[in-house]
Amino acid sequence: KAGVTQTPRYLIKTRGQQVTLSCSPISGHRSVSWYQQTPGQGLQFLFEYFSETQRNKGNFPGRFSGRQFSNSRSEMNVSTLELGDSALYLCASSFSSVGARNTGELFFGEGSRLTVL
Amino acid sequence: AQTVTQSQPEMSVQEAETVTLSCTYDTSENNYYLFWYKQPPSRQMILVIRQEAYKQQNATENRFSVNFQKAAKSFSLKISDSQLGDTAMYFCAFMKFFKIIFGKGTRLHILP
Repeated sequence: KAGVTQTPRYLIKTRGQQVTLSCSPISGHRSVSWYQQTPGQGLQFLFEYFSETQRNKGNFPGRFSGRQFSNSRSEMNVSTLELGDSALYLCASSFSSVGARNTGELFFGEGSRLTVL
Repeated sequence: AQTVTQSQPEMSVQEAETVTLSCTYDTSENNYYLFWYKQPPSRQMILVIRQEAYKQQNATENRFSVNFQKAAKSFSLKISDSQLGDTAMYFCAFMKFFKIIFGKGTRLHILP
């Protein structure tokens, strides 16, 4: 069973540009969540999608947005990039449904490392 | 708002020793999940162990066990017979309503 796939793995952008990151969840998983990981702030929750609907979001500015497609793949977008947006962006998927199969466990991808110059 | 605190930024122990990582959290919720995740150097984060708040029994997974004290809002992880492969960043996490809050992490070094 393929794991969570994130693309691109590495990218370099300049201030003011925008970036789109992609996440393909494990087959059968309908929940996708995104996290920003930095040395100073640790892991911070960005947002979570289920069946193309955002169910929860963290405390990030509106420059950070996301969406989920009907096949559960998700993208996140950061507009008007700032130096402080340099981070590892992690995506995680989970089954997230009522019932015995819902363990709450997240399955993480390897991340997309964004450098803003 | 929920918060998760890991008071030990970094720890080192000898191989085969037992080590305990601390985690406290703050919430007004009664039902929730708690997790310990492990992030090895340059590798994916994986689940170590999970605990459902309504269960009084402490979760165990082979060499990993937790001490869950709901009233004290404490959720420590004990690693027995530590191995070199346990070297990693360990994150304590709280989850409620599909939103997960992570602690800042404890970097654990297992020394040969």
